[in-house]
Order: sequence, then C-alpha cells, then structure tokens
Amino acid sequence: KAGVTQTPRYLIKTRGQQVTLSCSPISGHRSVSWYQQTPGQGLQFLFEYFSETQRNKGNFPGRFSGRQFSNSRSEMNVSTLELGDSALYLCASSLEGGQPQHFGDGTRLSIL
Amino acid sequence: SQKIEQNSEALNIQEGKTATLTCNYTNYSPAYLQWYRQDPGRGPVFLLLIRENEKEKRKERLKVTFDTTLKQSLFHITASQPADSATYLCALPPYGNNRLAFGKGNQVVVIP
Repeated sequence: KAGVTQTPRYLIKTRGQQVTLSCSPISGHRSVSWYQQTPGQGLQFLFEYFSETQRNKGNFPGRFSGRQFSNSRSEMNVSTLELGDSALYLCASSLEGGQPQHFGDGTRLSIL
Repeated sequence: SQKIEQNSEALNIQEGKTATLTCNYTNYSPAYLQWYRQDPGRGPVFLLLIRENEKEKRKERLKVTFDTTLKQSLFHITASQPADSATYLCALPPYGNNRLAFGKGNQVVVIP
C-alpha cells in the first residue's frame, strides 16, 4: 500500500506570494489532517478534513485554508505569505480522525 | 491553559541501556495517548497507542505506561541501539477523536 504522498518536497517563495501544497492520502483513508512544524512551536494542528468537509480547525489565521476532493486528496493554500510561514508542512491521513496518523514526509516551505 | 510537556534536552544514552522519556500534560483528560518517532527531514511515524484504561503497552523493545492520575506517560526503549536515535513525540486528543495535539518531542541519541 502506498504511503501518504506530499508534493512538492521543497518550495521557495517570497513574501506576499501564495502557495498551494498537495497531499495524497493512503487509499481508503477519508480523514486528512494538516500540521505546521517549526523548531520553536513544534507540530501545530492546522485543520482536518473528512469526506470533503472541514471538521476541525486549529488556531491559524484565515490566510491558511484547505480543501479535500472526492478522492480524498487534499490541498492547503497559504495566501499573502509571511516570513514566519517558513516551516515544514505535514499531511497525515487515517481511516477516522484521531486514530494513528500516517504522515507524509512534508513540504519544506521557505519564505525569502 | 492546556500543555503537553516533553523534555527539551536531548537524552544521550549508551547502546544497550534503557532510554526513558516522559510526557506530562495539564488540563486534558485524554481517552488515549499516542507516541510517534520522527527522523530528520521525515514525517512522524506512529509507534504505540495506549488507552486510559490500560496501564502499560508493549511492542517489541518499546514499552509505554499511562498514569491518568499523574497525567503522565512514560516511554521506554529497552536494549537501545544506534538506530533508535530519533526524536520521539507524544500526542493526545484534546477535544475528542478528530484531532491530535503534539508535544514538542524529545531527542534520543544512542551512543555506540
């Protein structure tokens, strides 16, 4: 069974731009969660999607958004990028939310 | 406020010894707690889940305990090997089963 796939692996953007990250979950998994990981804050929950609906949202500004498609693939978008958005963005899937999460290897986003 | 605390200092341990990591939490009443392993540049990998009615869980050389009175989980790696060197994260569901909150992780370095 293929694992969680995130694309791209690395991304460099400048302040003010926007970015879209993609996540393909494990086949059959309907829950997809997104996390931001930084050295200072650790893993911070962004949002969770289940069957194309956002079920949970973390404490991030509205610049961070996401969506899930009917095949469970998910995208997250960050608009008006700030230097502080530099981080590793991780996607995780599970059969049901909260169950052991299967993580991808993340997208490393650097803002110049 | 809610907190999940793991030791920020790396644990350096001699090969063959037992490594013990601590996860303390406050203002949570989790139904379960999970442990993950993360290697540099990779996403976390699920290791073990322990429920609130379980005192102890084992998987090969790994052992986890869960004390809901002390609000603490201990994670043990017995007969540690250099390949066990990684960062270990604890996670629990703060608001039910649909999301996870993570500690910042505890790095383990096993010295040959």
